[in-house]
Amino acid sequence: DQQVKQNSPSLSVQEGRISILNCDYTNSMFDYFLWYKKYPAEGPTFLISISSIKDKNEDGRFTVFLNKSAKHLSLHIVPSQPGDSAVYFCAATPRGSGNTGKLIFGQGTTLQVKP
Amino acid sequence: NAGVTQTPKFQVLKTGQSMTLQCAQDMNHNSMYWYRQDPGMGLRLIYYSASEGTTDKGEVPNGYNVSRLNKREFSLRLESAAPSQTSVYFCASSEGWQGYGYTFGSGTRLTVV
Repeated sequence: DQQVKQNSPSLSVQEGRISILNCDYTNSMFDYFLWYKKYPAEGPTFLISISSIKDKNEDGRFTVFLNKSAKHLSLHIVPSQPGDSAVYFCAATPRGSGNTGKLIFGQGTTLQVKP
Repeated sequence: NAGVTQTPKFQVLKTGQSMTLQCAQDMNHNSMYWYRQDPGMGLRLIYYSASEGTTDKGEVPNGYNVSRLNKREFSLRLESAAPSQTSVYFCASSEGWQGYGYTFGSGTRLTVV
């Protein structure tokens, strides 16, 4: 059973516009939610995170929103740039995982930003 | 600035062969992880080591074994490779619970024929 779901396999946007990537989760017992970005032939790299007690976290062009009642989070990229074209993974840390640092990942969404 | 180093980068195995994927980190992280990435499945945790001397199963441990050789190194062994183990394998390390401290290696693309 997939606890963290990214239902859109791909997204295409025009350079300069907003990209919105979505993620849903089924388990209320997560402490942190994170977004990772992955380029081909490279490992994922950390992008931004949000604590389960917050609603929003912003870092430059990237903002993550958390809607706990809907069990939904989204990543907004404004403005989108061609270099943002990559696979984006949503992930969550299970509550009670202590110091293990385990992450549960979604399936990933491929973002293409067209010049 | 090596971070997490995985070897090899590519490997082709025949069904039934064995091999060990190597992973080393130079950031003095306590925790290390092995994930596999498959199309439509995202990244799934195979095994992890919260600290030197400990290892635990993740979501998909069957067919794999691990060794935390020391604080730097965490290897993944396939004793008898199967086509279902064709995947891209990522090693990662972190300081622990924060999760966002994950640093990933560049991956090993394994094909079992």
